[in-house]
Amino acid sequence: EIVLTQSPATLSLSPGERATLSCRASQSVSIYLAWYQQRPGQAPRLLIYDASNRATGIPARFSGSGSGTDFTLSISSLEPEDFALYYCQQRNNWPLTFGGGTKVEIK
Amino acid sequence: QVQLQESGPGLVKPSETLSLTCVVSGYSISSDYYWGWIRQPPGKGLEWIGTIHHQSGGTYYNPSLKSRVTISVDTSKNQFSLNLRSVTAADTAVYYCARPKHILTGNDAFDIWGQGTMVTVSS
Repeated sequence: EIVLTQSPATLSLSPGERATLSCRASQSVSIYLAWYQQRPGQAPRLLIYDASNRATGIPARFSGSGSGTDFTLSISSLEPEDFALYYCQQRNNWPLTFGGGTKVEIK
Repeated sequence: QVQLQESGPGLVKPSETLSLTCVVSGYSISSDYYWGWIRQPPGKGLEWIGTIHHQSGGTYYNPSLKSRVTISVDTSKNQFSLNLRSVTAADTAVYYCARPKHILTGNDAFDIWGQGTMVTVSS
């Protein structure tokens, strides 16, 4: 099973700042990594798939990069609604696995 | 617009079977998409449970749950179901049904999710 390690666990930032979230895989997942946002009490929402492709309706301030074992989700300028939990997920191998999450909180 | 809605008992006794249904609206479950279940224990991260494709009969399960899980499709009701046997408190979680983004792709990101249903395992 591929283990995904997300860092940091918590990111404390102010609105308007740039957020950089990391996801590292225990072995290569090629480009097959996705990012989700989860707000309290809501289902996860797909932000990025296959490392760098924005899902439908996702604002341009969200961007993804990386390949192999190291991936990054960037939020260029944090909006109030962006303070939430973020998860990565790999689809290169069965079983599908998720990272432990990064919480982006208001500083 | 495709929508998924989970339903089932919110409380299940230890050692019994957890049974949930996901009703799909706005799309035929007999199509070329796979359909999946994911869960999230309170305050914890996401865990993929399994994925099914009706046409091919292909079913993929998380090895950590495989001995206790069955996912099936009911095309007459346009829904798919999850059965998890011999549950313990560790199975307490919000259970989500979801559809992968790409057609004919089981190992995929999930871009359509149900709202989730909380299931507590307790006597």
